[in-house]
Parts: sequence; C-alpha cells; structure tokens
Amino acid sequence: EPEVTQTPSHQVTQMGQEVILRCVPISNHLYFYWYRQILGQKVEFLVSFYNNEISEKSEIFDDQFSVERPDGSNFTLKIRSTKLEDSAMYFCASRNNAPPYEQYFGPGTRLTVT
Amino acid sequence: DQQVKQNSPSLSVQEGRISILNCDYTNSMFDYFLWYKKYPAEGPTFLISISSIKDKNEDGRFTVFLNKSAKHLSLHIVPSQPGDSAVYFCAASGAGIETSGSRLTFGEGTQLTVNP
Repeated sequence: EPEVTQTPSHQVTQMGQEVILRCVPISNHLYFYWYRQILGQKVEFLVSFYNNEISEKSEIFDDQFSVERPDGSNFTLKIRSTKLEDSAMYFCASRNNAPPYEQYFGPGTRLTVT
Repeated sequence: DQQVKQNSPSLSVQEGRISILNCDYTNSMFDYFLWYKKYPAEGPTFLISISSIKDKNEDGRFTVFLNKSAKHLSLHIVPSQPGDSAVYFCAASGAGIETSGSRLTFGEGTQLTVNP
C-alpha cells in the first residue's frame, strides 16, 4: 500500500538555525499539507499546497516558514530561523480528489530545538 | 482554538464490548468529519468519515454517527479488540472539500485502551 514518507525521523537543531523537513507524498495525490503537534497539544494545521502554490495557511505559518515542491515528488517544509517553541512533531499529509477525501499522514519528524 | 473538542482524554473498555468515542464541534461551517487513530511514533491513520448530509456511516466494526443539530459526532467500535488501543482523533473540514485543499481541524484525542 502506498504511503507518505518523511525524513529525517528526528532532527535536533540549535535555536536560530535553518531546518528543512522532507516528505514524499503518495505519487498520484494532488493536495499536500503540513501539520504539527507540540507535545501534549492538538495536531495543528500549518499549510496546504495545491497546483504548485500555497492554497491555505494558518496564523502559525509566518514568514519563517516556507514550503516547496522542488521536483514533483518531494514536498519540503523550511523553517528559516528556528525558535525553541518550534519543537514539535511535524506531519506531512497528502490526498487525492476522490471520496472519502482522507488525508494520508506520514510518520512525522520530531524536531527538537535547543 | 476549541472548534473541535473531545472531552474524554481516555476510555477503557473490555475486549468484545462497544467503545464509544465522542466529539463536539462549534463551527457550523464544518461539513465533513473524519476519525483517525494514532499509535505512538506513527502518523494518524484514517478510519472513517462522514459528510454532513448523512447521519451515519458504517465500515465493518466502525460506525460514525453525526448529530448536526447538536454539533456532535461519535465513533462506535463493535466489538472492541486489544489492537484497537490507540489515540483516536476527531477531525473536521470546511465546505468544498471536494474541490479545495480544506484544512483539517483536530480534537485533542481520546486514548482508548481495550483490555483483554
């Protein structure tokens, strides 16, 4: 069964450093997403991406964040200058355009900012 | 942000019995609802969904009920099995999910434990 993959599984970085989280969505999917879950909190939407552009973003997704689909298979989330509060589990998701419109989630990248 | 709320952080049931997980929402613009389950160190896995034009959807042991007037949905698992032990998330999406990349708004999750 096709699955969403994410690398790395765990990333440790120092405050102020740039990080790039990588995702390979399911190949025939059209919509791509990033979510995050801070420890003990809800899964929160960050951004959705369709047709090579951002279709929606949350208030969390400020100028420090960017997304890219550089080569038709990878989907990346970049945080330019990490803060302590960016420490979280980051999930990539993708979906096609057929019912039941479920989003398939990757296993997540645990980002630890020290 | 309390748009989707799961008031029970945990639920414990005996194997073979029914598990009922509840979810409430406040945003009347939500019209598509999904349940996900999550094991530790994995991403959420889709279970079942329901559109607001229905009040029930069934898939094997899983049934989701939607009470739109009460803004309440529930997931029934019958019979419960030890392998069902996981965190269950309710999620909601806005109108136009067919044609837009509608975000999912998640509840806090309920830890279900099914005891043998």
